[in-house]
Amino acid sequence: NAGVTQTPKFQVLKTGQSMTLQCAQDMNHEYMSWYRQDPGMGLRLIHYSVGAGITDQGEVPNGYNVSRSTTEDFPLRLLSAAPSQTSVYFCASSEVGSYTEAFFGQGTRLTVV
Amino acid sequence: AQSVAQPEDQVNVAEGNPLTVKCTYSVSGNPYLFWYVQYPNRGLQFLLKYITGDNLVKGSYGFEAEFNKSQTSFHLKKPSALVSDSALYFCAVRDPRAGGSYIPTFGRGTSLIVHP
Repeated sequence: NAGVTQTPKFQVLKTGQSMTLQCAQDMNHEYMSWYRQDPGMGLRLIHYSVGAGITDQGEVPNGYNVSRSTTEDFPLRLLSAAPSQTSVYFCASSEVGSYTEAFFGQGTRLTVV
Repeated sequence: AQSVAQPEDQVNVAEGNPLTVKCTYSVSGNPYLFWYVQYPNRGLQFLLKYITGDNLVKGSYGFEAEFNKSQTSFHLKKPSALVSDSALYFCAVRDPRAGGSYIPTFGRGTSLIVHP
């Protein structure tokens, strides 16, 4: 049971480049979400999904797109990378219900130069 | 709206001493509260949660947390700290009456440093 798998673990982009961060979970969880973690800022929600075909914006959605075509996968797309998007990105999933805990991936450390 | 505060950026404690990491929350109804731990270069791991019932909740690695409704707090505790407990700790809250996403709100995190 792999849990939540994120790829890549590290990435360096040039300003203006685009890329997709991959997230896959094998626990059949309905809820999936993307966070970014910056020093002193904690975790900030970028986008989330409550099921296949349903996505919504979080606290800091600008510059990012998501889609949820399957229950398992929730990719995060950076449309035109900016230095302000240098961060550590975490994907999380959880079962239906507000009382359930989240499972996190190992993170992707992204540097935009 | 739901929110959570971790008033201390860093907590220092000597190995063997008790530790407390503080968390206060704000929700419109009864909260669901969670603690997570993050070791260096790793994702967050679930430690424990309060949903209902006994105000003292026990979790992984000997940690426990006490829910105090009157003080709107959910402090994380451990009777005897280990050097290996050194990590970043996050408190999170969900308001079950918020509807919609059921996505939790996380605090900014508290760095726990346990000195040998």
